[in-house]
Amino acid sequence: SQKIEQNSEALNIQEGKTATLTCNYTNYSPAYLQWYRQDPGRGPVFLLLIRENEKEKRKERLKVTFDTTLKQSLFHITASQPADSATYLCALDPLTGRRALTFGSGTRLQVQP
Amino acid sequence: DAGVIQSPRHEVTEMGQEVTLRCKPISGHNSLFWYRQTMMRGLELLIYFNNNVPIDDSGMPEDRFSAKMPNASFSTLKIQPSEPRDSAVYFCASTLTGTGGSPLHFGNGTRLTVT
Repeated sequence: SQKIEQNSEALNIQEGKTATLTCNYTNYSPAYLQWYRQDPGRGPVFLLLIRENEKEKRKERLKVTFDTTLKQSLFHITASQPADSATYLCALDPLTGRRALTFGSGTRLQVQP
Repeated sequence: DAGVIQSPRHEVTEMGQEVTLRCKPISGHNSLFWYRQTMMRGLELLIYFNNNVPIDDSGMPEDRFSAKMPNASFSTLKIQPSEPRDSAVYFCASTLTGTGGSPLHFGNGTRLTVT
């Protein structure tokens, strides 16, 4: 069956360090992979999109990698700040079939000052 | 741009009552999605519309759930009768669907509590 896995345990890091979050998937062939940020009491907010033929994408302090062989995406936040504390969700977008995003359960990031 | 607007923000109701959740998508967007989020199951797709037409409702839990999109600027999700296990946060999202990879714009959700 199709599965998207994100680390359910919270990630605690010190301010200024790089946070790395993992998204693994099975039985999917996503054309695109997206990352979202969700704060308590709010809806998810889009951060970055990476296509299946792209290895890496950057936006300011954010970097996403996409390895279709390993079926894995890594999401990095460099020089992390307490304001980066939130839950981060990955989402897969297939090219065919059900054309709607399927989300992972998210990983909560806590950046300590 | 006001973003996706959902109402009400909170709804508390008794088991057996009818519940109607409302959504106004971003103007110009042609696809609308209803998701449900719980601690146990995460964010699950219930149904999505393209150009006001339901495309995939396979995520709707059972016949107690129904969704409509009478025009491009309004959608409803109805639960009748409601049950305690329907308690969750319900999100509406919209996007302009092109060749793929369209980011979703979410509302801030309706927190539903069924007692």
